[in-house]
Amino acid sequence: RKEVEQDPGPFNVPEGATVAFNCTYSNSASQSFFWYRQDCRKEPKLLMSVYSSGNEDGRFTAQLNRASQYISLLIRDSKLSDSATYLCVVGSGYSTLTFGKGTMLLVSP
Amino acid sequence: SQTIHQWPATLVQPVGSPLSLECTVEGTSNPNLYWYRQAAGRGLQLLFYSVGIGQISSEVPQNLSASRPQDRQFILSSKKLLLSDSGFYLCAWSVGSTYEQYFGPGTRLTVT
Repeated sequence: RKEVEQDPGPFNVPEGATVAFNCTYSNSASQSFFWYRQDCRKEPKLLMSVYSSGNEDGRFTAQLNRASQYISLLIRDSKLSDSATYLCVVGSGYSTLTFGKGTMLLVSP
Repeated sequence: SQTIHQWPATLVQPVGSPLSLECTVEGTSNPNLYWYRQAAGRGLQLLFYSVGIGQISSEVPQNLSASRPQDRQFILSSKKLLLSDSGFYLCAWSVGSTYEQYFGPGTRLTVT
C-alpha cells in the first residue's frame, strides 16, 4: 500500500466551481498533515496545515479524519490562479515528511 | 525573513561526471535541512536530512552523498552520475521539531 495516496486527476473545473480533493495515508502514527501547492516546474509551497478539528483559510478548507486516515481539501469559488498540483503531505518520524504524488487541478474560464 | 537559495537552477551533465549542488538558508539558525528529488511523473523522494553541522541521515541508498559544512549550507554530491539521477532536486528547511518545511527554487538536472 502506498504511504500517501491521491487521485492524480486532472480535475477540470470552470471558474467559480467548488472542487474537493481527497487523500489517504497508511501510517497510523502520523502526526502532522499538510497540503502543499506546486505550480508547473516550480517548488512546492505550503498551502495549509490540517488539523483534526478542521481548518479554513479563505476559500480553502481542510479536514482530517484520523480514524479513517483520510485528509481532504475543499476549494470554493475556484480561480484561474488555483490551477496547480496539490500535494497531500504527512509528517511522521523526526521532522520528515511523506508526499503524495499530487492531484492536478485545471480551472478554465 | 528566511530565504533559501539553490544553485545552479538548471544543469546538464554527461553520465559518469561528478555533481555538486548547493543550498543555503538565510535568516534562521540551526535549521533542519533536507534534500529531495522529484523524478518526472513521480512524487518527492527524501534523499537526505540534517539536524546539524556534520549530521547527515540518508533515506535512500544510492550514488549520492550529502554534506553540511556550515550551519546554513547543505551540499548534494555525486562522484559519477547515472541516467537515473535526472530529476528536479529540491532543498528544504524547517526549524526545531516542527514538520512544516519550506522549499528552495530547485535545480533541474538532466543526465545525458
